[in-house]
Amino acid sequence: GDSVTQMEGPVTLSEEAFLTINCTYTATGYPSLFWYVQYPGEGLQLLLKATKADDKGSNKGFEATYRKETTSFHLEKGSVQVSDSAVYFCALDSWGKLQFGAGTQVVVTP
Amino acid sequence: SQTIHQWPATLVQPVGSPLSLECTVEGTSNPNLYWYRQAAGRGLQLLFYSVGIGQISSEVPQNLSASRPQDRQFILSSKKLLLSDSGFYFCAWNPDGGWPTYNEQFFGPGTRLTVL
Repeated sequence: GDSVTQMEGPVTLSEEAFLTINCTYTATGYPSLFWYVQYPGEGLQLLLKATKADDKGSNKGFEATYRKETTSFHLEKGSVQVSDSAVYFCALDSWGKLQFGAGTQVVVTP
Repeated sequence: SQTIHQWPATLVQPVGSPLSLECTVEGTSNPNLYWYRQAAGRGLQLLFYSVGIGQISSEVPQNLSASRPQDRQFILSSKKLLLSDSGFYFCAWNPDGGWPTYNEQFFGPGTRLTVL
């Protein structure tokens, strides 16, 4: 079945550092891909999405590009802030149902 | 605007006791509704989804059940909780767009369930 694999955390960074979280997927067909973020004590929020190959999703300084050739959707941000500390989930839409990765905790220190 | 509510926010229950978690959505009609579980250190696992009143699809066999008695109300239940039922439970919705729908899902704040 369809699945998502993302890098394990926690990832600890200093403020203004560059962040990359790797995400690869296995799917039949061409699913939509998502990054969700979960801030402490809150539910998940959609961060960005891409619906077809070579699409780039972006929001709040985060970017991810849908790479069909490498079946990847890596999340990047050029300069993180303390407020970016959260758990990030990669997900794909499998026939209307979301399949999530295990999540990557990101800790940004001042 | 649309909002999604879940309650209770936290719950501690003994093994073998019943469970009822409630989710309601405001500001939309005929949404698709979802229940997810997040075990400690894991991603979210889809448990149930519903495309309409009384229509429930189960994704994972378990001792949980779901019901949708009203258009914007989704209930997760169990007759006897197991230790392995501990975790966070999230309700989510997205606009009705036929099925399957590829609309973004919007998540509630979650319920933290601890089974002792």
